[in-house]
Amino acid sequence: EDQVTQSPEALRLQEGESSSLNCSYTVSGLRGLFWYRQDPGKGPEFLFTLYSAGEEKEKERLKATLTKKESFLHITAPKPEDSATYLCAVQEETGGFKTIFGAGTRLFVKA
Amino acid sequence: NAGVTQTPKFRILKIGQSMTLQCTQDMNHNYMYWYRQDPGMGLKLIYYSVGAGITDKGEVPNGYNVSRSTTEDFPLRLELAAPSQTSVYFCASSYLGGRATDTQYFGPGTRLTVL
Repeated sequence: EDQVTQSPEALRLQEGESSSLNCSYTVSGLRGLFWYRQDPGKGPEFLFTLYSAGEEKEKERLKATLTKKESFLHITAPKPEDSATYLCAVQEETGGFKTIFGAGTRLFVKA
Repeated sequence: NAGVTQTPKFRILKIGQSMTLQCTQDMNHNYMYWYRQDPGMGLKLIYYSVGAGITDKGEVPNGYNVSRSTTEDFPLRLELAAPSQTSVYFCASSYLGGRATDTQYFGPGTRLTVL
């Protein structure tokens, strides 16, 4: 069964303490992997799309990487405003328009 | 651009009542989606539409109906509300062009409670 698993469920960091969030997936063929940020009471906000193994994308303190079975979202020197839930989603090559979302990682950054 | 807008933001329904959740996008996107998000769970696709007049079921369509008469609007209808439909509902839209991947843009959500 196709699925997306994110770990850890929650992560507490001190400001400036770098870390990584993991997204592992099992699909027959990957069309694209997406990272979204979701603030409390709001809809998910698009961050990155990755298409193939070895690809990397960066935005401010965030860097997303992709292998054949997982993706990492690296957070360098986080700030309290980076606190949010980070969602990973994958779309299959042959899955029509089916996008499978993980449950998310809740990130808390303390000043 | 307002992006994707949803109304209402909050709603409490009694069991057996019906309601329509409104969704509008002003980005001229061809694809639109309805998801529900339960606590600690990923988003689950309810229905989607690839263009005006064309809709199809997602992963969890039971108890819901949709229509799409225009590019901009994609309302979600709940008939005979049940407590299991208590959730946060998100509408999203995207444009599938040449790259054929699906970057979706989400509305702010509707928090629905069925008592």
